[in-house]
Amino acid sequence: EPEVTQTPSHQVTQMGQEVILRCVPISNHLYFYWYRQILGQKVEFLVSFYNNEISEKSEIFDDQFSVERPDGSNFTLKIRSTKLEDSAMYFCASRRTGGQPQHFGDGTRLSIL
Amino acid sequence: ILNVEQSPQSLHVQEGDSTNFTCSFPSSNFYALHWYRWETAKSPEALFVMTLNGDEKKKGRISATLNTKEGYSYLYIKGSQPEDSATYLCAFEGGSEKLVFGKGTKLTVNP
Repeated sequence: EPEVTQTPSHQVTQMGQEVILRCVPISNHLYFYWYRQILGQKVEFLVSFYNNEISEKSEIFDDQFSVERPDGSNFTLKIRSTKLEDSAMYFCASRRTGGQPQHFGDGTRLSIL
Repeated sequence: ILNVEQSPQSLHVQEGDSTNFTCSFPSSNFYALHWYRWETAKSPEALFVMTLNGDEKKKGRISATLNTKEGYSYLYIKGSQPEDSATYLCAFEGGSEKLVFGKGTKLTVNP
């Protein structure tokens, strides 16, 4: 069964550094998402992406964050200048159309030191 | 602010027991209610997407019901097995793309 893949599985970065989290969504999916879960808290929506542009973003997704679909397969999340509070598990998800389940990757655990 | 609540937070049952847990969500601007099963170190696995009031869905020993007018959904597991141990997440989908998640119910099934 096709799946969403994320790399790396764990990223350790110094505060203030830039980090890029990578995702390969399911190939015939059209909608792409990033979520995160800070330890002990709910999974939170960050951003949705459709037709090569952001369709919705949360208040968490400030100017430090950006997303890109640089080619036909990858979907990346960049955090420009990381802060301690960015430490979380980051999940990528995709789906073909609205009303269908969003399929999640295994996540990238981001640790900011 | 959209709020999705799940109860209980955690549950310990014996193998063979049947169990259920609750998800409550806003009753306005409803589009869909999603249930996921999430095992540690794995990706959340989609169980159901429910859209219609009164909907009931079933997958093996797991089933779910939906009441959009009062804003709740129940997930049932019949004859729990140790491999059912996981966190069960529900997520509300309203008039936008995002899913709003509850905190989950962590189920432990003891052999």
